[in-house]
Amino acid sequence: DGGITQSPKYLFRKEGQNVTLSCEQNLNHDAMYWYRQDPGQGLRLIYYSQIVNDFQKGDIAEGYSVSREKKESFPLTVTSAQKNPTAFYLCASRQAIYGYTFGSGTRLTVV
Amino acid sequence: AQSVTQLDSQVPVFEEAPVELRCNYSSSVSVYLFWYVQYPNQGLQLLLKYLSGSTLVKGINGFEAEFNKSQTSFHLRKPSVHISDTAEYFCAVSDGGGSNYKLTFGKGTLLTVNP
Repeated sequence: DGGITQSPKYLFRKEGQNVTLSCEQNLNHDAMYWYRQDPGQGLRLIYYSQIVNDFQKGDIAEGYSVSREKKESFPLTVTSAQKNPTAFYLCASRQAIYGYTFGSGTRLTVV
Repeated sequence: AQSVTQLDSQVPVFEEAPVELRCNYSSSVSVYLFWYVQYPNQGLQLLLKYLSGSTLVKGINGFEAEFNKSQTSFHLRKPSVHISDTAEYFCAVSDGGGSNYKLTFGKGTLLTVNP
């Protein structure tokens, strides 16, 4: 079945450590997105990519980085510069205007 | 810039009662509107969408929403809720005139259905 796979489901990060969240899709969608979700805050856009080898900052890009070397993959790195990384991270893809397809999320916790 | 306001952060209802979750948006251009549902520790699932045409949109699980351009609203309704409808619901708007179709989300409404 086509869909978006995010891994791992749970991730723990130590202070000062970079971590990478994986997002893979087999829907052949061109555009991919990363959102951060905090309780009571809705979803906020971190980065998005319309095509391979191109990406743009969203509303809260500071402390995060991404790459888009393959159409299927859009990994997100949470760097040590992100001071409050504990959150639920959602990846999504889109082919046309007909809404997004979301992954099941990664919950990141700083320990 | 576009924005979405979900007017209620929490809505408790009894099983089999009707429910309305309110959503207002602001945008300077034509928009596409969406409602998503999220169950605990899961991703978002599309309930319904308005792109054009009829202002009454029907979605999955018996939900429907009405687009009201003059009031810039897109309220979600269900005539009779079930326990299984307990979840968080997000309204979202996409800039129909833009080229990247970024979704802007409201802060969510937690629907709790009690027996």
